[in-house]
Amino acid sequence: DQQVKQNSPSLSVQEGRISILNCDYTNSMFDYFLWYKKYPAEGPTFLISISSIKDKNEDGRFTVFLNKSAKHLSLHIVPSQPGDSAVYFCAANAGGTSYGKLTFGQGTILTVHP
Amino acid sequence: ETGVTQTPRHLVMGMTNKKSLKCEQHLGHNAMYWYKQSAKKPLELMFVYSLEERVENNSVPSRFSPECPNSSHLFLHLHTLQPEDSALYLCASSQRFLAGGYTGELFFGEGSRLTVL
Repeated sequence: DQQVKQNSPSLSVQEGRISILNCDYTNSMFDYFLWYKKYPAEGPTFLISISSIKDKNEDGRFTVFLNKSAKHLSLHIVPSQPGDSAVYFCAANAGGTSYGKLTFGQGTILTVHP
Repeated sequence: ETGVTQTPRHLVMGMTNKKSLKCEQHLGHNAMYWYKQSAKKPLELMFVYSLEERVENNSVPSRFSPECPNSSHLFLHLHTLQPEDSALYLCASSQRFLAGGYTGELFFGEGSRLTVL
């Protein structure tokens, strides 16, 4: 049973517009959520995160929103740029460990057209 | 060298072969991880080593054998694999915090693409 789901396998957006990537989770024990970005032939790189005590975290063009009651989070990229084209993974961490034990979604392929 | 380095980047092996994947991190971290990414599936945690002790074994078959000789190096020894083990194997590292919760930010290598014939 998949505890973290990204239901959109792909998203296509025009340069300069907003990209919204969505993620749903089922495990109430998750208390920290992260987004990773992956280019072909590279490993995932950390993008932005949010603690369950917050509902929004912003870093430049990237904003993550968390709706705990709906068990849903989203990543907003504004404005989108062609260099943002990559696979985006949502991940969640359940507290109680002193190391990372991430559960990942399947990923969403974002394509930003010039 | 910086970050997390994995070798080899590509590996083709037969089902009776023995091979090893190597990971080295230059970030001064004290926790290291093996993840597996199969086609059309999410990244799956395989093993976690924290302060050189194995702290997680996520129901991985014994044909995968990890080794962590020190906090900078991690190996995954492969023996009598099956074609369904073909996947991208990703190594990651992080800094373990001895007190309080952990946020989960991992630093990944570029992965080793394994094909089992």
